[in-house]
Amino acid sequence: GDSVTQTEGPVTVSESESLIINCTYSATSIAYPNLFWYVRYPGEGLQLLLKVITAGQKGSSRGFEATYNKETTSFHLQKASVQESDSAVYYCALGDHNNRIFFGDGTQLVVKP
Amino acid sequence: NSKVIQTPRYLVKGQGQKAKMRCIPEKGHPVVFWYQQNKNNEFKFLINFQNQEVLQQIDMTEKRFSAECPSNSPCSLEIQSSEAGDSALYLCASSLQVNTEVFFGKGTRLTVV
Repeated sequence: GDSVTQTEGPVTVSESESLIINCTYSATSIAYPNLFWYVRYPGEGLQLLLKVITAGQKGSSRGFEATYNKETTSFHLQKASVQESDSAVYYCALGDHNNRIFFGDGTQLVVKP
Repeated sequence: NSKVIQTPRYLVKGQGQKAKMRCIPEKGHPVVFWYQQNKNNEFKFLINFQNQEVLQQIDMTEKRFSAECPSNSPCSLEIQSSEAGDSALYLCASSLQVNTEVFFGKGTRLTVV
């Protein structure tokens, strides 16, 4: 089936350190899936962080970036220097062209001051 | 910030009772989605609509859930006879077109006792 596997949390890093949250996907029924990172800040709803629809392309937002790698079926999320305000739960996801989205289980990020 | 409004935020029902939750999509968004996020953080796509027409739904939704998006009224998701396993966070989302950015509400947390 179609599924996403991501780093199990919580992930704890200190402010200004670098971050990587791994994500791999399996898309058996979707030929060219769209890939997403969503974020849920405390007390807020899910919101789109970044989206990439073309293999080989990189998406970036708020200092985060992720590259759609079709060869390794990966879409790892990276940030060079995290801030305390980045503390949240991050979800990797893939979507079909009807926008039906398959989410990973989420990775809680805790950034220590 | 998302303007998808879900009510109520919390809902407690006994087993066998009906459970109904509502969603007002972002203004002008004809495409509406419902997802279930269980206590293990696993997401499950339930159903999506374009205007008042169902686009896709899973078997579970067809059998025990009813959902509608009438014109000029909130969308709704109703569980006909709640079961303990239905306890979850129900997320509504909307988008302008089928393959454009999806905006999520904060969810309705259903507890079936």
